[in-house]
Amino acid sequence: QQQVKQSPQSLIVQKGGISIINCAYENTAFDYFPWYQQFPGKGPALLIAIRPDVSEKKEGRFTISFNKSAKQFSLHIMDSQPGDSATYFCAASMRVGNEKLTFGTGTRLTIIP
Amino acid sequence: GAGVSQSPRYKVAKRGQDVALRCDPISGHVSLFWYQQALGQGPEFLTYFQNEAQLDKSGLPSDRFFAERPEGSVSTLKIQRTQQEDSAVYLCASRGEQGKGENEKLFFGSGTQLSVL
Repeated sequence: QQQVKQSPQSLIVQKGGISIINCAYENTAFDYFPWYQQFPGKGPALLIAIRPDVSEKKEGRFTISFNKSAKQFSLHIMDSQPGDSATYFCAASMRVGNEKLTFGTGTRLTIIP
Repeated sequence: GAGVSQSPRYKVAKRGQDVALRCDPISGHVSLFWYQQALGQGPEFLTYFQNEAQLDKSGLPSDRFFAERPEGSVSTLKIQRTQQEDSAVYLCASRGEQGKGENEKLFFGSGTQLSVL
């Protein structure tokens, strides 16, 4: 059972544009929603994370939007740069009592000049 | 070291062989996780340690998989009688104590890529 669904599978954005990746979850007990960035041959690296008590969190060019009633959250990358080309994973976990992250299937982002 | 270190970086095994994958977490990190990442997929949880205690092993796919962290630091993931479906990248991650701000971040190693022929 896939508990975190991620789309699109791949995304091509022009340099300077906005990249948007979406995720939906099923388990209402999830209360921690991080986004990870992974480059080829490397492990995932935490980009930004949100808890359900806020609807938006911004760190630099990266913003998470969270819709608790729809059980959806998204990553927005503003002013996308070639260096942002990577695979992005959303994830979810329950903060207390269950430590494991459930990851989405990933989005391969390519930023073209 | 500065980050999570995993060895070997690559491992090729013949079907039926046993393998052992090592993880050196960030010094002082209490929590340690193992994940399996198949090609083109997201990481999938295998097991979780808090210090030397294995608190969750619900993700281990079969009894051929075994993990240990005897002194609460270095961890080893062992796979017995490897099968072709075991081919994947095995990621280790560590985290400091929860409730300590930045220490809640999960840091991943670069993984061990296991190929079973």
